[in-house]
Amino acid sequence: GIQVEQSPPDLILQEGANSTLRCNFSDSVNNLQWFHQNPWGQLINLFYIPSGTKQNGRLSATTVATERYSLLYISSSQTTDSGVYFCAVKADGFQGGSEKLVFGKGMKLTVNP
Amino acid sequence: DGGITQSPKYLFRKEGQNVTLSCEQNLNHDAMYWYRQDPGQGLRLIYYSQIVNDFQKGDIAEGYSVSREKKESFPLTVTSAQKNPTAFYLCASSIRPAISSGANVLTFGAGSRLTVL
Repeated sequence: GIQVEQSPPDLILQEGANSTLRCNFSDSVNNLQWFHQNPWGQLINLFYIPSGTKQNGRLSATTVATERYSLLYISSSQTTDSGVYFCAVKADGFQGGSEKLVFGKGMKLTVNP
Repeated sequence: DGGITQSPKYLFRKEGQNVTLSCEQNLNHDAMYWYRQDPGQGLRLIYYSQIVNDFQKGDIAEGYSVSREKKESFPLTVTSAQKNPTAFYLCASSIRPAISSGANVLTFGAGSRLTVL
């Protein structure tokens, strides 16, 4: 099946710094979602972005489907950005929707005040 | 506010006991999902349901059972057959199933943490 790799696995930042999280996948995809899991376990969907670029406040994401990667940018990081960021993808060529999503292992971000 | 409610938040179980985790949504979503999360790992799909009275096994269904008698509710039972049930369990939903579009964006509940003593 499709492989999903996220990097870096851990990142520690000072408040105000910028960061880039990367998600590599082994096959073409038609569904890609980024999630943030806060320290209490709640997951929030950040972006649905199988291709192209989207922005939402300090966060933006770009998926280059032809090169099989997606990037999540966090600008002017805040302590509330701490947590684990997951990328989840669904391989193209399969029927179905989010039940076919494969999650990466996540990237832990710690933002210090 | 619309959302997904999972209960209980924390649950302790003795070996050999079945436990049921509740998941209720008021988003009017058709599809619902149960995931398991282990430390340092991504989420793995246990079961999903695309419509009332129908559900499908995910990647790790052994030792688990579900029902979907109402659109709003998708309870998960962790049976005594599950060899290693200690984990964090997450319920999710999406507007429509079986297509790849923005309607498949997952909304998650706050999770239930099960510990087997």
